Amino acid sequence: GAVVSQHPSWVICKSGTSVKIECRSLDFQATTMFWYRQFPKQSLMLMATSNEGSKATYEQGVEKDKFLINHASLTLSTLTVTSAHPEDSSFYICSAREVSRTGPFQPQHFGDGTRLSIL
Amino acid sequence: GESVGLHLPTLSVQEGDNSIINCAYSNSASDYFIWYKQESGKGPQFIIDIRSNMDKRQGQRVTVLLNKTVKHLSLQIAATQPGDSAVYFCAENIGGAQKLVFGQGTRLTINP
Repeated sequence: GAVVSQHPSWVICKSGTSVKIECRSLDFQATTMFWYRQFPKQSLMLMATSNEGSKATYEQGVEKDKFLINHASLTLSTLTVTSAHPEDSSFYICSAREVSRTGPFQPQHFGDGTRLSIL
Repeated sequence: GESVGLHLPTLSVQEGDNSIINCAYSNSASDYFIWYKQESGKGPQFIIDIRSNMDKRQGQRVTVLLNKTVKHLSLQIAATQPGDSAVYFCAENIGGAQKLVFGQGTRLTINP
């Protein structure tokens, strides 16, 4: 159980292109999903918290107009990297926490990430 | 700022030996800790978690120890196998914020 699927797993595109990444919870509902970015040999850095039916909460230093997040249902959140440039190249990973469990002590379950390469 | 860190960036052990991966945290408000395993090109995989009102928790071949006095967390892997080779991250849940802060990660290599 608790499977999170990300799509696509790998994207190569030209500078200036906008790229959409999907994050789905396959066998559970998630009111909250999280988007992370990971550079090579580094740890995961939280970019934003995606809340179903409301605006996302962005971490300090993350441009909300650059990284558009939509969480339209309890099983889907999307991250759109707008007008991507080479410095946006990274490994983007989403996670979700089950809504069926009560209390704050619930692990986040992660997707397998999307490797974004901007030429 | 407050962060979660690791003492050792790399760890190499013989197959069959036990491994211990350490993690230091600095946020006294953290109430929940999780260990994740990340294989190359994949997302983090949940291994084991522990609440701040506990000091030890055991799973299958893994044990997590929490020492709140010195703000230290460790992951013990018994009888390591080649499949245990990966990067291991500790993460702390910042109480009210419900966000995870990840440590730097330790690369575990299992030698045959």
